[in-house]
Amino acid sequence: QKEVEQDPGPLSVPEGAIVSLNCTYSNSAFQYFMWYRQYSRKGPELLMYTYSSGNKEDGRFTAQVDKSSKYISLFIRDSQPSDSATYLCATELGGATNKLIFGTGTLLAVQP
Amino acid sequence: DVKVTQSSRYLVKRTGEKVFLECVQDMDHENMFWYRQDPGLGLRLIYFSYDVKMKEKGDIPEGYSVSREKKERFSLILESASTNQTSMYLCASSDTGGSEKLFFGSGTQLSVL
Repeated sequence: QKEVEQDPGPLSVPEGAIVSLNCTYSNSAFQYFMWYRQYSRKGPELLMYTYSSGNKEDGRFTAQVDKSSKYISLFIRDSQPSDSATYLCATELGGATNKLIFGTGTLLAVQP
Repeated sequence: DVKVTQSSRYLVKRTGEKVFLECVQDMDHENMFWYRQDPGLGLRLIYFSYDVKMKEKGDIPEGYSVSREKKERFSLILESASTNQTSMYLCASSDTGGSEKLFFGSGTQLSVL
């Protein structure tokens, strides 16, 4: 079993839709949870970062972590064509490990 | 803004060649990382470094080595390139205290023929 599972998609939605991207993880010791966005032919860039359970909002983006079910979600409101990218979830144990574990990424296409 | 620069965007090499991938960061970050990214497998950590001349194996170090002689520069070396090392290679850096906020370069697409 992979430590972080993510549906690869592709996911295609019309402009303005609410997008839900999800990951599950297996190790209950993971403490930090991140979402990275990767445009075509570019490196990933950090989009959202959360610690432990709960929600974090930044503009049109909301990251949600449910540690009881080991579930990570990213919601995008009022999606735009510029949101078309691959979204990677990632997690880390914290402490001195200094190693991120990534999901395989979900390819999102927002149609104008 | 942090800038992580990878020396080549595309590389084509022959099987058995020694390959050097160079990465430079300009924000005085302590930590540097090399990942490879393959369809369906995601990002996998090859090597990382906490400090100059320090290196740690990641999840898939076989067939690779690294060098960090200066804080800003982290090199990935393929000792004898093989076709299964055809991949997108991504360098990243982060500040001390945690790797959760990684800054990535744009990647090097390496093809080994």
